Amino acid sequence: GAGVSQSPRYKVAKRGQDVALRCDPISGHVSLFWYQQALGQGPEFLTYFQNEAQLDKSGLPSDRFFAERPEGSVSTLKIQRTQQEDSAVYLCASSLEKGELFFGEGSRLTVL
Amino acid sequence: AQSVTQLDSQVPVFEEAPVELRCNYSSSVSVYLFWYVQYPNQGLQLLLKYLSGSTLVESINGFEAEFNKSQTSFHLRKPSVHISDTAEYFCAVTPSGGYQKVTFGTGTKLQVIP
Repeated sequence: GAGVSQSPRYKVAKRGQDVALRCDPISGHVSLFWYQQALGQGPEFLTYFQNEAQLDKSGLPSDRFFAERPEGSVSTLKIQRTQQEDSAVYLCASSLEKGELFFGEGSRLTVL
Repeated sequence: AQSVTQLDSQVPVFEEAPVELRCNYSSSVSVYLFWYVQYPNQGLQLLLKYLSGSTLVESINGFEAEFNKSQTSFHLRKPSVHISDTAEYFCAVTPSGGYQKVTFGTGTKLQVIP
């Protein structure tokens, strides 16, 4: 497809489980962003890639969060030992021009 | 660091009435400004942007926003809303120079009442 694709769309995890969220950006988009959106809030920045290089990970809330983009295309956000406060929608966006983000539909994570 | 304030979490408005969604930002450097929209059950999408030049920018579906540097505002307006405008609107900012993350506001839910 032509847009940003995220999977899974919905994920229910038991507290303590590891989860992996996948993002397929728009082909040719160099920049890739991950955001976290809690209920009733705006998207909060997690991390940024330019090709395969992770240039900014200042928004990752703890060392349980890890993101990679090994070949400069598909990216994976991994959350280890999930906690209830990790429940949120995780948004992936890709970009060619500064500030103009193309978002996927998000992965909704619920931690029980 | 940049920040965005959207004071109105919800704005109900009757169909065909005008609407203004408020956005104020804070930054010590020059910025680019954006409005994103999220329709029900859809992902966020860019509505309009201000990069430079004319301070009044427009979208293809009749929204407009005006960059006001002295008031650090970028309010979104539409003279006559439609039911299909029901959505959540997010204001966003990023510094104009170098790489910086895009910072979003908390969003305003526009509810158009028939």
